[in-house]
Amino acid sequence: DARVTQTPRHKVTEMGQEVTMRCQPILGHNTVFWYRQTMMQGLELLAYFRNRAPLDDSGMPKDRFSAEMPDATLATLKIQPSEPRDSAVYFCASGPGGQNTEAFFGQGTRLTVV
Amino acid sequence: AQSVAQPEDQVNVAEGNPLTVKCTYSVSGNPYLFWYVQYPNRGLQFLLKYITGDNLVKGSYGFEAEFNKSQTSFHLKKPSALVSDSALYFCAVRVTSGTYKYIFGTGTRLKVLA
Repeated sequence: DARVTQTPRHKVTEMGQEVTMRCQPILGHNTVFWYRQTMMQGLELLAYFRNRAPLDDSGMPKDRFSAEMPDATLATLKIQPSEPRDSAVYFCASGPGGQNTEAFFGQGTRLTVV
Repeated sequence: AQSVAQPEDQVNVAEGNPLTVKCTYSVSGNPYLFWYVQYPNRGLQFLLKYITGDNLVKGSYGFEAEFNKSQTSFHLKKPSALVSDSALYFCAVRVTSGTYKYIFGTGTRLKVLA
């Protein structure tokens, strides 16, 4: 059963520390998204890639966040330095190439910055 | 600018009664429309989508949605609600050309009362 895998599932870190979240998209999917979910803001698109190239990262705070796809099987989202306001659930999703196709979401990484 | 509106933060319905979760959208161009469901501590799960053709789309778990182009709406429906349908529901839109982004609504919490 193909699925998007995110690690870690939970992360508690101190303010100022670097956080790296990882995502393994479904094999064959060429579009990868990073979303952040909070009670206040709902679901926000941070960045997305197509064929490993970043297409849009306008939703991401550039000074501390970075997203990369080192290869087709791995996407990473880094926060350095982390701040308490970064506490949220971060979702990765992947999709096949067609415009009319749905995205498949991972189970998320719950990040708490203290 | 493209947007999706879910006007109700919460919908309460008695078990066995029909349910409707509302969604309206604003896009330039033709849309592809999606509904997702999120259970506690889970990622978003695809329910159904409208691409073209029949305005009534059937999806998973007995859900269906009606596309109305003149009202720019895509309301989610189910003839008979179950307690297990209680969850957070998201409507999303993607335009048919250009960007590959999904634009999500703010979500509607459905509570089915026994």
